Amino acid sequence: DVKVTQSSRYLVKRTGEKVFLECVQDMDHENMFWYRQDPGLGLRLIYFSYDVKMKEKGDIPEGYSVSREKKERFSLILESASTNQTSMYLCASSFIIQYFGPGTRLLVL
Amino acid sequence: GQQVMQIPQYQHVQEGEDFTTYCNSSTTLSNIQWYKQRPGGHPVFLIQLVKSGEVKKQKRLTFQFGEAKKNSSLHITATQTTDVGTYFCAGRRDTGNQFYFGTGTSLTVIP
Repeated sequence: DVKVTQSSRYLVKRTGEKVFLECVQDMDHENMFWYRQDPGLGLRLIYFSYDVKMKEKGDIPEGYSVSREKKERFSLILESASTNQTSMYLCASSFIIQYFGPGTRLLVL
Repeated sequence: GQQVMQIPQYQHVQEGEDFTTYCNSSTTLSNIQWYKQRPGGHPVFLIQLVKSGEVKKQKRLTFQFGEAKKNSSLHITATQTTDVGTYFCAGRRDTGNQFYFGTGTSLTVIP
């Protein structure tokens, strides 16, 4: 059974903290994605990666960075968390179909 | 900016009524996918359309891809409470691996 897991379901951080969101997939997919989901805005792509150590900016990369050291793992990093980064973060991996993880709801105080 | 628009943003229907959501892209797409997200859940793949003018059915759900490959629709016949959720379209261009998600349509079905 296909599986995409995310390190946390809920996370509370303080402004200025460095935040790591981890995503792991077990399908040997080359493509992995990080989205944030906000009411009325749908899914907005932050970064994606099409191979190990490769990354491309999505529509809203500002304030974020990513790391893909291994094929199965794609990490999203908030260098200095801000309140406007409070959101639901969804990771996905794909070959043709996108498989999503359960999401991480991040609250930045 | 948003390259794939979806309307309506919200839709409330009585159980048994039909429902349609529309997806429009500013650019030609190589294919389009549809996803459903149940409340509290994550998006789950429903279907992919590739050919111009393609129509696919899944039980009460009918999916269409426009002739110009710039728009798509999802129609649900005789909605049921199990249809509740947010429906997203996601388009892909000929080049690149990026999916462009629509803003989503949130469907509420009133029993």
